[in-house]
Formats: sequence, structure tokens, C-alpha cells
Amino acid sequence: GEDVEQSLFLSVREGDSSVINCTYTDSSSTYLYWYKQEPGAGLQLLTYIFSNMDMKQDQRLTVLLNKKDKHLSLRIADTQTGDSAIYFCAEWGANTDKLIFGTGTRLQVFP
Amino acid sequence: DVKVTQSSRYLVKRTGEKVFLECVQDMDHENMFWYRQDPGLGLRLIYFSYDVKMKEKGDIPEGYSVSREKKERFSLILESASTNQTSMYLCASSSGPSHRKDTQYFGPGTRLTVL
Repeated sequence: GEDVEQSLFLSVREGDSSVINCTYTDSSSTYLYWYKQEPGAGLQLLTYIFSNMDMKQDQRLTVLLNKKDKHLSLRIADTQTGDSAIYFCAEWGANTDKLIFGTGTRLQVFP
Repeated sequence: DVKVTQSSRYLVKRTGEKVFLECVQDMDHENMFWYRQDPGLGLRLIYFSYDVKMKEKGDIPEGYSVSREKKERFSLILESASTNQTSMYLCASSSGPSHRKDTQYFGPGTRLTVL
């Protein structure tokens, strides 16, 4: 079946940039999402990108999409301790009509 | 702001008990979802509903049932709880005709422990 993969952990120093990567297998993928889950909370939508775009920027967040390689990344500039959370990549494909979540990447920011 | 609330943040039940998890959304969304979240497995869809009294199985419906009698409320039922149902349960809702792809808004989650 279709799959979305992420690395489980990322550790960065406060003030550095973080890059969280995601790969997916659904060739019909049309919408790709990044969600953030803070400790003890539900998921909060951070941003999304359509498959006809290759980049989207929103303040400190930059999403890059390489459709050929089925690779999505989320870059957080000037990472702060408040960015410590689990980040989930999710994709929806027209063929599968399913929203599939990755395993989540736990970002730890240290001073 | 969309608000999705879940009846309990933490719940402890015994094996064999019937368990009800409640979810309420206040934005008149058509679609509602129940997921479970386990470390290393991400989110897995249990059931969803795109209209009152309608329900569809997700990827892991076994051992669960759902009820949607009113548009704003979606209940997840564990008929006979088992230890392998210990997990974090997340409810979500979305608007729009495409119940799969439209942006989903999540509740805070219920951490269920079955002893």
C-alpha cells in the first residue's frame, strides 16, 4: 500500500535551522500537509502545499516539494525551544482517496 | 477558530469493559474522524463519518464501532476493551465535500490505558 516515511528524531541547537524530511510513495499525491503536535496536545495544521507547487514560504517555515523524487521537506528558520514537538507529514492522493500520515519526527531544540 | 473537544484527556479501564470516547466539534463540519496514535506507527484511521448516521471503516476498524446521531458529535466505542487498545485516540473534523482531503482539525486526544 501507499506509505509515508519520516525519520523519528531530530535534535538542533536553538537559533539554527531545522529541516524535517518526508518521502511518500503515492504517485497521485495531490495535497501534502505538515502538522505539529506539542506535548499532550492534538495535531495542529502548520501548512500545506499543492503538488503543482515546488515551494511555499510562511514566515519561518519553508516547504519544499520534489515531486519527481516524492520528497517533501519542512525547514524551520531560527528554531526556538517552542518549536520542540512532533511533526507529521501527511499526503492525500487522488487515486487512493486516502489521507496518509507519516510516523512523525520528534524535534528537540536544545539551548 | 475551529474547536474539537474530547470528553476525557486520560482514561483507565479494565479488560472487557465497554468504553465510550466522545468527540464534539463546534464548526458545523460534515466530516469527523477517529484515529489512534502509537509510537513509531503515526496515525491510523479507525472510522470516519461524512454525514449524520453515516460511517465508514478506516484502516483498523476491528474491535471498534462508532456512532454519529448528531452532526456535532462522533463517538468511538470499544465493545470489550483489550490491552492492545491502550493508545492515544485522536478525533478530527473537516468541512467540504471531500471527506478525505480537506484540512482536518484535531482535538487534544484521549490517552486510554486498558489494564
